Parts: sequence; C-alpha cells; structure tokens
Amino acid sequence: GQNIDQPTEMTATEGAIVQINCTYQTSGFNGLFWYQQHAGEAPTFLSYNVLDGLEEKGRFSSFLSRSKGYSYLLLKELQMKDSASYLCAVMDSNYQLIWGAGTKLIIKP
Amino acid sequence: ETGVTQSPTHLIKTRGQQVTLRCSSQSGHNTVSWYQQALGQGPQFIFQYYREEENGRGNFPPRFSGLQFPNYSSELNVNALELDDSALYLCASSRQGGGTGELFFGEGSRLTVL
Repeated sequence: GQNIDQPTEMTATEGAIVQINCTYQTSGFNGLFWYQQHAGEAPTFLSYNVLDGLEEKGRFSSFLSRSKGYSYLLLKELQMKDSASYLCAVMDSNYQLIWGAGTKLIIKP
Repeated sequence: ETGVTQSPTHLIKTRGQQVTLRCSSQSGHNTVSWYQQALGQGPQFIFQYYREEENGRGNFPPRFSGLQFPNYSSELNVNALELDDSALYLCASSRQGGGTGELFFGEGSRLTVL
C-alpha cells in the first residue's frame, strides 16, 4: 500500500527553527509537495521537490532524498502566523497526489 | 487568491439526501481534482477530471460522481448521503502536461450530514 508518515503535532518557539519530517512509500514517484493549511482554510502550496537536495524559498526550505523515501520542511525565524498544519504529499506513478495526515505546528511566544 | 472558486461554502443535509458541489477552475487549467478532508486528516483523493473525462479515481463508492464541463468547471455529486460524508470537500485545479502539477485549491465546501 501507499503510505505517508509525518508527526502529528510539533511545538516551537517564535524566532526559532523547526524541521518537519516526512517519510513515504508510494507506487512510483513524480515529486513531493509541501502545503500549509491554516485551520478552516484550503491548503496553499509551499514547495515542490523532484530531485534530491535542498530547495530554499525565503524562510522555508525543503529537502528530498529519494533513496531514503524522506523529506523535510525547514522553517526558520518562526512567526506566530506560521502556526498551521503542514501537509506532505507525493505524486505517484499515476500522477495522483497521496497525502499525509499533516503536522500541526504550534508556535509559542 | 488561487482563482479557484467553490460553492456553496457551507451546507447541511440529512442522511439519504443528495448534494451537488461546484467548482470553477483557474484560467488556463484543464484538470480538476476533488478531495475529501475529514477533521484532523489529510485530503483523500476522490477523482480527477481532464478534458471532461474521469482520469483517475480514489477509493470512493459509485455514489460519488462528477462532471467536468467544456469550460473546465466541475461538479461533485454525492447520492444517498451518510453521516461519515461530513467533511470539507476541496476542489483543486492544475494544468496537465505542463508545470510541476502544482494544485491550486479553492476554499472548500463544508458539508455536514445530520
């Protein structure tokens, strides 16, 4: 079966750095996405990785290792508005997205 | 703003009823996907439409059906509603055959089945 695993909840302090991990087992791989979702709202796109390595975009970076079936999202200089759920999703061989359950990130002052 | 609009935003139905949810895709996008998201869970893929044809389906029963129109807008129909159908229904548009396949989501339709 296809499986995406990520922690259920994490807590971090404003101004700090946090890393959210994602491991996956899917039938085929056509890229990995990270989305942010605030409570009651739709997911919004953060990043896309299809090759191994680190993609940096402002305060957010995403890393991929295809051989390990592993990715992480790194958030720097945390702000209160970063409190949200972070969803990891993998595009499988049929170009369909398989989603993790999301990691709820709580930012404390 | 993603340019994807969904209606209605909220609705309440009773068991056994039928519901139709609507989605207008972003300009230039030819693919629409529908997802069901229960509280505290990630989205679950229902199906995808490309150029008016169903182009992939998740593990949902036949009472979940859909349509895509020539202007690429779409409908999700659910018959014989069950209590477990209560969820946020998300529509996402994308451009098949180009780009990263990034999905642009609408704000969702929150369905409550009593």
